Amino acid sequence: KAGVTQTPRYLIKTRGQQVTLSCSPISGHRSVSWYQQTPGQGLQFLFEYFSETQRNKGNFPGRFSGRQFSNSRSEMNVSTLELGDSALYLCASSIEGVRAEAFFGQGTRLTVV
Amino acid sequence: SQKIEQNSEALNIQEGKTATLTCNYTNYSPAYLQWYRQDPGRGPVFLLLIRENEKEKRKERLKVTFDTTLKQSLFHITASQPADSATYLCALAKSSGDKLTFGTGTRLAVRP
Repeated sequence: KAGVTQTPRYLIKTRGQQVTLSCSPISGHRSVSWYQQTPGQGLQFLFEYFSETQRNKGNFPGRFSGRQFSNSRSEMNVSTLELGDSALYLCASSIEGVRAEAFFGQGTRLTVV
Repeated sequence: SQKIEQNSEALNIQEGKTATLTCNYTNYSPAYLQWYRQDPGRGPVFLLLIRENEKEKRKERLKVTFDTTLKQSLFHITASQPADSATYLCALAKSSGDKLTFGTGTRLAVRP
């Protein structure tokens, strides 16, 4: 079966712009989580959506937001981009949240210039 | 505050030996602990999950232990191979509805 698909793979944006990243989970998975990964901070949790509801939220500013659609596909949005938002953004889907394995996508590499 | 610590220094071992990686946590009572492998430029890949009432889990050459008294998990790779070279991440969750919080990972390098 198809894995987790993230689009786009690479993105270059200018400070102040906004960006939307997309994640298509594995069919049947209702939990979708987003992470930011940087060399200095490692994998930082952004938020988790389960059946279209935000179930958990990390410690990121309100510029970071997300949503999940009825088909479980998820998007995250970052507004007013800052240089420090440059990172690899990873999406993971799971059938049962943390009680089961998470399947990660390849990530979206965002560069803010 | 809650903290998950993995050895930030790389672990270098000879092929065929057993690699042991450590995950320590403080101010935390995890119900679930998972281990992942990550290769450069790729997303993490799930390896093993262990619950708080389990002491040990095995899968092929992999073994994970979970000591809630010591607040520590050990991850072992027996008969290591150069292909095992990667960064290994532990991740914890307090309950079934909690988020998964990751440690910073330990890089393993297996020499031929």
